[in-house]
Amino acid sequence: DAKTTQPNSMESNEEEPVHLPCNHSTISGTDYIHWYRQLPSQGPEYVIHGLTSNVNNRMASLAIAEDRKSSTLILHRATLRDAAVYYCILRDVGETSGSRLTFGEGTQLTVNP
Amino acid sequence: EPEVTQTPSHQVTQMGQEVILRCVPISNHLYFYWYRQILGQKVEFLVSFYNNEISEKSEIFDDQFSVERPDGSNFTLKIRSTKLEDSAMYFCASSKTSGSAGELFFGEGSRLTVL
Repeated sequence: DAKTTQPNSMESNEEEPVHLPCNHSTISGTDYIHWYRQLPSQGPEYVIHGLTSNVNNRMASLAIAEDRKSSTLILHRATLRDAAVYYCILRDVGETSGSRLTFGEGTQLTVNP
Repeated sequence: EPEVTQTPSHQVTQMGQEVILRCVPISNHLYFYWYRQILGQKVEFLVSFYNNEISEKSEIFDDQFSVERPDGSNFTLKIRSTKLEDSAMYFCASSKTSGSAGELFFGEGSRLTVL
């Protein structure tokens, strides 16, 4: 999997939007951008993924730069429950086996009340 | 909402003992995975399993580890002779599809402590 770079930590206030950046300058044309998060003492949880276009779901939005070398996970109104480690992961569209996710260090998001 | 369930939530064992960690994946999922996370470290891939065979394994998944799906619902990870460094959270995951667009659903984890 191509490498991603994320800030070690970010802080937000409750009910404010949060923009979590991810750089992936070596992304290939066939890499999907996935985001997972891990709440304290829990397993990772899928958040969202995209290829080229911006994506929205009930949890978050994913904004992908036009050159695809970076992306931003947007939480529209952070809650205390959103405090977690957020992982940005690239997965090649050519993978056909039940293939691995390669987790990095992620971004520890702290949400202040 | 369907979920992946894991048992036990916590197991304490003596070094050298065999351990079996159990997982019930989401019922219509076909791909199964084990990951582990040593305290304070990254989540690491161990193995993926499809159609009753291992499809990919990491360098961590050596001969001490094995997986099986004995009865069509459970998915187990066996560590034959535990070492101190096997102490970690072990996460089972499943997905409906393979490939890069599929999402993985993870369980809450089984904490293994080797003394």
